[in-house]
Amino acid sequence: GAVVSQHPSWVICKSGTSVKIECRSLDFQATTMFWYRQFPKQSLMLMATSNEGSKATYEQGVEKDKFLINHASLTLSTLTVTSAHPEDSSFYICSAREASGRWSEQYFGPGTRLTVT
Amino acid sequence: TQLLEQSPQFLSIQEGENLTVYCNSSSVFSSLQWYRQEPGEGPVLLVTVVTGGEVKKLKRLTFQFGDARKDSSLHITAAQPGDTGLYLCAGEWQDRGSTLGRLYFGRGTQLTVWP
Repeated sequence: GAVVSQHPSWVICKSGTSVKIECRSLDFQATTMFWYRQFPKQSLMLMATSNEGSKATYEQGVEKDKFLINHASLTLSTLTVTSAHPEDSSFYICSAREASGRWSEQYFGPGTRLTVT
Repeated sequence: TQLLEQSPQFLSIQEGENLTVYCNSSSVFSSLQWYRQEPGEGPVLLVTVVTGGEVKKLKRLTFQFGDARKDSSLHITAAQPGDTGLYLCAGEWQDRGSTLGRLYFGRGTQLTVWP
C-alpha cells in the first residue's frame, strides 16, 4: 500500500525558533498533500492543501505567514512553523493523494509531535 | 460549526459487547471514510463507502452509508481490547466553486474495550 512518512516524529523547540516538518510519499507521486493539526483527544483540523508547484491553500483562521508550506516535488512537502510559541504545540499530520487516484484517497503520515517550550 | 457530527464522543465497554458509532450531517457527501487512529500515530483508513445504502463488512466491523449519503454508521460485533482507539469518520466534499475536494472529519469516538 501507499506509504507516507514524516520527519521528525517528534521535536522540542524553544519559543521563538522555527521548526520544519517533512512529509514524503515513499512509493507514489502525490500531486496534492494536506496538512492537519490535532489536539489531544480531538479530531483532525485541516490547515492547508498543498499542490505541487503552486502556492498552498490555507483554511480560514490559519496564518500562512506562520505556517509556511512548500511542495516542491511530487514526493515532498514541508511545513515550517515560524517563530513557534507554546500554543503551537500540537500533533501535526500530513496526508498525500496519489496523482492518479480519487482526490479523496488520502494516505496519512504517522504524525509529528511538536512541543514548544 | 461541525459539518459532521459524530457520536458518541467516548465509549467504554467490556470485551464481547457490541457497539455502534454514528456519523451524521445535513450535507450530502460524495463518499465517506472511516479511520482508526492509535495514540501518537496517523489515522489508518478502514473503509470508504460511496453508494447510498451501501454496506461493507470488515471482519467484525460493519459500515453503512445512508441512502441519502448524509450519514453513516460503524458497528462492531463482539468488541475486543485490540479494537481500542480513536475512530474517525470523514466525508468527501467539494466546496462550491473550488476544483479541490477535501475531507471533513468528525470529532471522533474514543473507544476503550476492557478485557
